Amino acid sequence: QKEVEQDPGPLSVPEGAIVSLNCTYSNSAFQYFMWYRQYSRKGPELLMYTYSSGNKEDGRFTAQVDKSSKYISLFIRDSQPSDSATYLCAMSARQGAQKLVFGQGTRLTINP
Amino acid sequence: GAVVSQHPSWVICKSGTSVKIECRSLDFQATTMFWYRQFPKQSLMLMATSNEGSKATYEQGVEKDKFLINHASLTLSTLTVTSAHPEDSSFYICSAREGSRDSYEQYFGPGTRLTVT
Repeated sequence: QKEVEQDPGPLSVPEGAIVSLNCTYSNSAFQYFMWYRQYSRKGPELLMYTYSSGNKEDGRFTAQVDKSSKYISLFIRDSQPSDSATYLCAMSARQGAQKLVFGQGTRLTINP
Repeated sequence: GAVVSQHPSWVICKSGTSVKIECRSLDFQATTMFWYRQFPKQSLMLMATSNEGSKATYEQGVEKDKFLINHASLTLSTLTVTSAHPEDSSFYICSAREGSRDSYEQYFGPGTRLTVT
């Protein structure tokens, strides 16, 4: 069993829709949770970072962490074609941890 | 924002040759740099972690004699793929972490696509 599971998709939605992306994990030691966006043939860029459980909002993006269920989500409101990318969740056990464990990534397409 | 560059962005080499990939932090000092490999439609897999001035720490299953990592300065790390084979063809991405050991954020480079023929 992988430490982090993420549905690879592909996921295709119309412009303006609310997008929900999810990851589950098995290691209860994970405390720090991140979402990265990766455009084709580019390196990942950090979108959201959350610590422990709860919600965090940044513009059209909301990250949720449910540690009791070992489940994290990223919501994108008013989705735009420019949001089309692969979204990767990542997590680590300590803030200064050397190692990030990534999910497989979900390929998202927003159709105009 | 913090910028990490990689060179080259893509390279084609013949089987048996060696290829060097550079990773540079352009506007900050990176005490720690990470090397990842990403196969098509798969996630990033950490290969090794390097701290400036010390030997790299390799992940289980990664051959240290095949993937040579040098982190000679606070702004430069290199990955050399020695005696490359077609199965080494992949997207290699580096990331860098700035200064404080409590810093969580890794800044990723744009990646290097390696094709071994």
